[in-house]
Amino acid sequence: AQSVTQLGSHVSVSEGALVLLRCNYSSSVPPYLFWYVQYPNQGLQLLLKYTSAATLVKGINGFEAEFKKSETSFHLTKPSAHMSDAAEYFCAVSDGGGATNKLIFGTGTLLAVQP
Amino acid sequence: DGGITQSPKYLFRKEGQNVTLSCEQNLNHDAMYWYRQDPGQGLRLIYYSQIVNDFQKGDIAEGYSVSREKKESFPLTVTSAQKNPTAFYLCASSGMVGNTEAFFGQGTRLTVV
Repeated sequence: AQSVTQLGSHVSVSEGALVLLRCNYSSSVPPYLFWYVQYPNQGLQLLLKYTSAATLVKGINGFEAEFKKSETSFHLTKPSAHMSDAAEYFCAVSDGGGATNKLIFGTGTLLAVQP
Repeated sequence: DGGITQSPKYLFRKEGQNVTLSCEQNLNHDAMYWYRQDPGQGLRLIYYSQIVNDFQKGDIAEGYSVSREKKESFPLTVTSAQKNPTAFYLCASSGMVGNTEAFFGQGTRLTVV
């Protein structure tokens, strides 16, 4: 069964610093992987997705993620943090395979950006 | 604008009452989902539906019920059997292909009073 693990429930960076949020997956089939962002009391918004077309995926708001099969990782990065990046970030793997498209989520990483 | 609408945004329930959360989408998606979110636990799947008049239990279905009478609508009822219903509930929809992302509503925060 597919699963994802997000290392670090809280990450704090200074404005302008590199953002690195970690996600490792477990999947018996080639995975589809997603990163979502959630602002307080709101729904989830898609940042980017990996669907096997390219290992380096660029998303919205300057975020990108690299799929590394050898490390079973899909870490999210942004070169320079902005105050508006403060939010909770979720990594997810699709339980696809043709039958369904259920998403299995990690427990989330809350990103704080210090001025 | 296409999207998913959840209502109400805030809901208060007395002990022993059933309450129904609304979810409507106009994205023409076949699949719809209900997730429960608790602090530190991520999102957990309650129910999902791939087609009208059919739905399946997710990981935490006990104490919840759903219906899918129309493609656009997937209401969730939190019954009195749900021991700890206070949570943030998120509805989502997607296509049926595994590489398509899910689109989420703005959520309903349910509080037991």
